[in-house]
Amino acid sequence: EVYLVESGGGLVQPGRSLRLSCVASGFTFDDYAMHWVRQSPGKGLEWVAGLSWNSGTIEYAASVKGRFTISRDDARNSLFLQMTSLKSEDTAVYYCVKDLKEWNGFDVWGQGTLVTVSS
Amino acid sequence: QSALTQPPSVSGSPGQSVTLSCSGTSDDVGGYDFVSWFQQRPGKAPKLIISDVSQRPSGVPHRYSGSKSGNTASLTISGLQADDEADYYCCSFAGPDSYFLFGGGTKLTVL
Repeated sequence: EVYLVESGGGLVQPGRSLRLSCVASGFTFDDYAMHWVRQSPGKGLEWVAGLSWNSGTIEYAASVKGRFTISRDDARNSLFLQMTSLKSEDTAVYYCVKDLKEWNGFDVWGQGTLVTVSS
Repeated sequence: QSALTQPPSVSGSPGQSVTLSCSGTSDDVGGYDFVSWFQQRPGKAPKLIISDVSQRPSGVPHRYSGSKSGNTASLTISGLQADDEADYYCCSFAGPDSYFLFGGGTKLTVL
């Protein structure tokens, strides 16, 4: 069975940085594109960033471009999201999500990690 | 690009069928067959129930079906059960400018 376990969320002040991690198991990690998707409290879903199986394609939503960096470590079956210059509007549950294959859509989701940006 | 458009709420009685709509444009829903639907229960992560417009992942009941006509995708749930009560989100690939767009979600109430 496929599992995705996120960590690294918490309370952070505006302008500061935070790094999220996601450990994957139950599938061949380096065969799949991976993504981060967030959900603000009581709101809908927003795709944040994604990268292809070989990191050859890396893309970001306009709302985070230039501030967030997505990366992967296939040796550790891990996905990361480095978030800098955080804003209050970045407050959300961040989900690590496995792609169906390669930018087809979203398959399995982790349980999410809450990031709260507040002074 | 704007989010996809879903009705905020839909309701139905047990045993009935309901159809949830998801409206986009030719740049997203109408332009690609990469439309997915997710079910989300309170406090839980979204769960994939339909991919690629109409494909049901293993383990998803046959009561769930997806389709697309032009710029609008639809999710039909037949034989409604109390357990179907949840929020439902559509999602579409939207090309190299926006990549993935979600709808605002539809809250399904089983009366």
